[in-house]
Amino acid sequence: AQSVSQHNHHVILSEAASLELGCNYSYGGTVNLFWYVQYPGQHLQLLLKYFSGDPLVKGIKGFEAEFIKSKFSFNLRKPSVQWSDTAEYFCAVNDRGSQGNLIFGKGTKLSVKP
Amino acid sequence: DAGVTQSPTHLIKTRGQQVTLRCSPKSGHDTVSWYQQALGQGPQFIFQYYEEEERQRGNFPDRFSGHQFPNYSSELNVNALLLGDSALYLCASSLGTRPYGYTFGSGTRLTVV
Repeated sequence: AQSVSQHNHHVILSEAASLELGCNYSYGGTVNLFWYVQYPGQHLQLLLKYFSGDPLVKGIKGFEAEFIKSKFSFNLRKPSVQWSDTAEYFCAVNDRGSQGNLIFGKGTKLSVKP
Repeated sequence: DAGVTQSPTHLIKTRGQQVTLRCSPKSGHDTVSWYQQALGQGPQFIFQYYEEEERQRGNFPDRFSGHQFPNYSSELNVNALLLGDSALYLCASSLGTRPYGYTFGSGTRLTVV
C-alpha cells in the first residue's frame, strides 16, 4: 500500500530562516505529488504540484519543491520564511493509475517566530 | 472563500446515532470526494462521487455511505457512530475524477460522545 512520510511533526523557525520540510513516499509506480497548506482556521490550499518534467517545481508564496525519484522524495523549501507562513503543511501522493484519491502524510506544523 | 460549502461546521453526536454531513461543490465542479482527518493525522480518503455514483472508495466500513444529487452536491452519512469517528470531515470538489484541481471546504468537525 502506498504511504507518505513527513519527517517532522513540528518545526519552529525565526523569521527569515530557511525552511525545508521532508516528504518521502512509498510506491514504485508513477505518481503525482502535491504540497498543501492549511492556515489556522482555513481550508486546505494547494501550494504546488508535480506531474512530470522539471523536477524543481515552483509554487505560490515563494515555495518550491524538488522531486528526487531515486530517493522517493518531494521536499518543500522556502529560502526565507515569514510569520504569515505559520500553518500546517501536508504532502500528498496520487497514483496515476488510480482514479481520484490522494494519500496524505500526517502533516508538519510550522511555527514562525516574529 | 473556499468555494466549497460544508454544513454544519460543528456537530456533537452520541455513540450509536446517525449523522449526515453536507457539501456544495465549487461552481463548475462535478465531482465530490470526502476525506476524514483525525486529530494529528492527515486527511484519509473515504469515497468519491461522480455522476451520482460512488466511483472509488477508501478503506472505510459500510457504516459510511454517501449520495450525490443532480446539482452535484453531496451528503456523507455515518451510521452507528463510534467514538473513533470523531474527526474533521473534509469535502473536496473537482472537475472530473482526478484530484488535480481539488478545492477543499473548511470541513465539519464531528465529535462523538
